[in-house]
Amino acid sequence: ETGVTQSPTHLIKTRGQQVTLRCSSQSGHNTVSWYQQALGQGPQFIFQYYREEENGRGNFPPRFSGLQFPNYSSELNVNALELDDSALYLCASSWVPGQSTDTQYFGPGTRLTVL
Amino acid sequence: QKEVEQNSGPLSVPEGAIASLNCTYSDRGSQSFFWYRQYSGKSPELIMSIYSNGDKEDGRFTAQLNKASQYVSLLIRDSQPSDSATYLCAIQAGSNYQLIWGAGTKLIIKP
Repeated sequence: ETGVTQSPTHLIKTRGQQVTLRCSSQSGHNTVSWYQQALGQGPQFIFQYYREEENGRGNFPPRFSGLQFPNYSSELNVNALELDDSALYLCASSWVPGQSTDTQYFGPGTRLTVL
Repeated sequence: QKEVEQNSGPLSVPEGAIASLNCTYSDRGSQSFFWYRQYSGKSPELIMSIYSNGDKEDGRFTAQLNKASQYVSLLIRDSQPSDSATYLCAIQAGSNYQLIWGAGTKLIIKP
């Protein structure tokens, strides 16, 4: 167990709806990264939050947005859901970004299905 | 060209044998390299990290890094059926040191 928690575990939505996924980082960690993993593929970086500010973003449209709170927990919001958004969403926490030895620890993930 | 490449497999290895997993990458500036194990339907679990050229051993696992040739490998000695999983190679890159992932190699250990 990494100490990183995510909720909900599973979620089913329909096209066009909005969804919010939540992540609580490991104690002592101040950075949260979000990844999307489609079936049979490696995770794709969505964005990273450090001390409540976005600290980098991957190739995802603006309808993917996030927040980090003072306790370093985080939310991922996706608007106008599309079928291709169906994936496992992973949250990873780490101590300090921008250091080459930064190790990320993953939560159990949220499985999102868009119908 | 993909930034991190892995053979998708499946790689089938008899129980007790050595499993060898390989990964190549394109970013010469990468400094940190990771191997994660992922069971079906679960999240990735960190197995090994390696930062310097050469070998790094941890129990039955050995990671090997060759920055000049831009490859990193993972050896699993005395393979067990419980090692059956998808193994993901990840490198840390970019100004915020995001992880760039390969698609993973599916490993099957046959009893």
